[in-house]
Amino acid sequence: EVQLVESGGGLVQPGGSLRLSCAASGFTFSRYWMAWVRQAPRRGLEWVASIKHDGTEKNYGDSVKHRFTISRDSAQNSLYLQMDSLRVEDTAVYYCAKVVVPADTGAFDIWGQGTMVAVSS
Amino acid sequence: EIVVTQSPATLSLSPGERATLSCRASQSVTKYLAWYQQKPGQAPRLLIYDASNRATGIPARFSGSGSGTDFTLTISSLEPEDFAIYYCHQRIEWPYTFGQGTKLEIK
Repeated sequence: EVQLVESGGGLVQPGGSLRLSCAASGFTFSRYWMAWVRQAPRRGLEWVASIKHDGTEKNYGDSVKHRFTISRDSAQNSLYLQMDSLRVEDTAVYYCAKVVVPADTGAFDIWGQGTMVAVSS
Repeated sequence: EIVVTQSPATLSLSPGERATLSCRASQSVTKYLAWYQQKPGQAPRLLIYDASNRATGIPARFSGSGSGTDFTLTISSLEPEDFAIYYCHQRIEWPYTFGQGTKLEIK
């Protein structure tokens, strides 16, 4: 079964840091672009970042650029999101997502259950 | 960035009826538009990618059409489980953007 399981969310103060992890299973992780997408409470979806299947290209949303870092470890079949300088507006459920077609940047066909990040003093 | 606008914001229909949801991009995304369904407390589910390709396991009552800036998601005959929020998403250029969502509610 293809599965993504996020972990690492929690409550953090403004200016703090958090590292999210996503464990992938059931597919050849190294063949797919991966992404993080977030959803603030009672809001819509917001793309956060994407990383190429081989890790050589990374792209970020404007609201997180220079604060968040996406990375992956194919040996561990894991995706990560290092979040620094966190702001109240970063409060959201963070989803890990897999792209539908190998080596393509495309749409997201598999999503994790999400991990909640709350930024508050 | 490409702005993606969905309409209507809310659509009230009855089971068995046909639903037509629209998505408009501020500039051409050629065919690179996807549709997702999200139910309360759940992760989004991919329905359609690249404008008209149904994702694995998606029933045939869901179909997508359009190209350039105007796209449509059609549900031919609504089932009770189809009432949810629907999002479109462009992936032709960074930053990727999502529409604000259309809530499909039971009339």
